[in-house]
Amino acid sequence: GAVVSQHPSRVICKSGTSVKIECRSLDFQATTMFWYRQFPKQSLMLMATSNEGSKATYEQGVEKDKFLINHASLTLSTLTVTSAHPEDSSFYICSARDMANSYNEQFFGPGTRLTVL
Amino acid sequence: GQNIDQPTEMTATEGAIVQINCTYQTSGFNGLFWYQQHAGEAPTFLSYNVLDGLEEKGRFSSFLSRSKGYSYLLLKELQMKDSASYLCAVSDSNYQLIWGAGTKLIIKP
Repeated sequence: GAVVSQHPSRVICKSGTSVKIECRSLDFQATTMFWYRQFPKQSLMLMATSNEGSKATYEQGVEKDKFLINHASLTLSTLTVTSAHPEDSSFYICSARDMANSYNEQFFGPGTRLTVL
Repeated sequence: GQNIDQPTEMTATEGAIVQINCTYQTSGFNGLFWYQQHAGEAPTFLSYNVLDGLEEKGRFSSFLSRSKGYSYLLLKELQMKDSASYLCAVSDSNYQLIWGAGTKLIIKP
């Protein structure tokens, strides 16, 4: 099956610093990648949709200058949380859509747990 | 607006059968997904329905009725490892997934 990796799996940082999270599709090409955030005991919240070679589309209420998304290739998208604050502490999950998959299924990475002190 | 409804929590006994319902109202429909999510982990794909009827995959089955905007996930022969949250998601007219809040399933011995 399709595999999506995320790095790092866990990060602790100081308030005011920036954190970059990588999302890679390992064995398939993904024209579209999605970034989600999930707070404890809540469902997934879509932050943005990232298309290879173009600007990301952000959901309402998500600051594009704070959450920088780059999708430079068909297998890599990055999310940078700039000037992180404690309220940004969350579980960040990426997913990728396989171009060849007729199900239009999204394959999820293992997630990155961000803790901002 | 777009809306996905599923029960917040359900409890079942090991070895039994449980049915988790999902109703939806979305702008367009390009299929319904069920995902399983264990605490602290990312969701994993369970099933996909785009046509009416029942899809069976081992102990898990998923049913869809597009006219009723309704789906259910049926889990048989429950095992303790099935304790998890089960997420219903609908692919809308733009192929974007609209997520339910998830159903936390608790399995008791």
